[in-house]
Amino acid sequence: QKEVEQDPGPLSVPEGAIVSLNCTYSNSAFQYFMWYRQYSRKGPELLMYTYSSGNKEDGRFTAQVDKSSKYISLFIRDSQPSDSATYLCAMLNSGGSNYKLTFGKGTLLTVNP
Amino acid sequence: EPEVTQTPSHQVTQMGQEVILRCVPISNHLYFYWYRQILGQKVEFLVSFYNNEISEKSEIFDDQFSVERPDGSNFTLKIRSTKLEDSAMYFCASSGDFRGSTYGYTFGSGTRLTVV
Repeated sequence: QKEVEQDPGPLSVPEGAIVSLNCTYSNSAFQYFMWYRQYSRKGPELLMYTYSSGNKEDGRFTAQVDKSSKYISLFIRDSQPSDSATYLCAMLNSGGSNYKLTFGKGTLLTVNP
Repeated sequence: EPEVTQTPSHQVTQMGQEVILRCVPISNHLYFYWYRQILGQKVEFLVSFYNNEISEKSEIFDDQFSVERPDGSNFTLKIRSTKLEDSAMYFCASSGDFRGSTYGYTFGSGTRLTVV
């Protein structure tokens, strides 16, 4: 089983739709969870950073972590064409390998005007 | 907003040649990283660097790779003898602490390395 699994999509939605992006993971040692946005041929840009289970909201973005199910989500409300990008989940251990992020493969999102 | 700067943006090199990829991390960050992304694949960890030494490295980061912080601002990745399979986008990142909790990990825009 892969450490981090993410549906690569592609996902195409109309402008204004609510988007749900998800990752599952197998390593219980993952304690820190991040969502990055990556535009074509650019570096990942941090969107959300969460530590504990529960929800964290930032504008139109909500990150959700369910450690018991090893499942994390990113919701985008009122999606805009500028949200079109690849969304990467990333996770970090709390102990042992403290220094490396493990990424999902990324979900390609297109928001159509 | 502070950013991580990488140069060059694109480097073409012949197989067997040495390349040095350069990065200027965010000035008050303490942890530095190199990741790579082969086209169509995941972003993969290569190495982390703290207090002037490697803190962790992946199995990809073999003897052909080395990192250095030659002065107070630059962070470099050297590939001694490039192979075709080293062709990838290389990202430098930095963070204020090892959990990346202060600002998360900030990535540069990457250097596209093409080995021919």
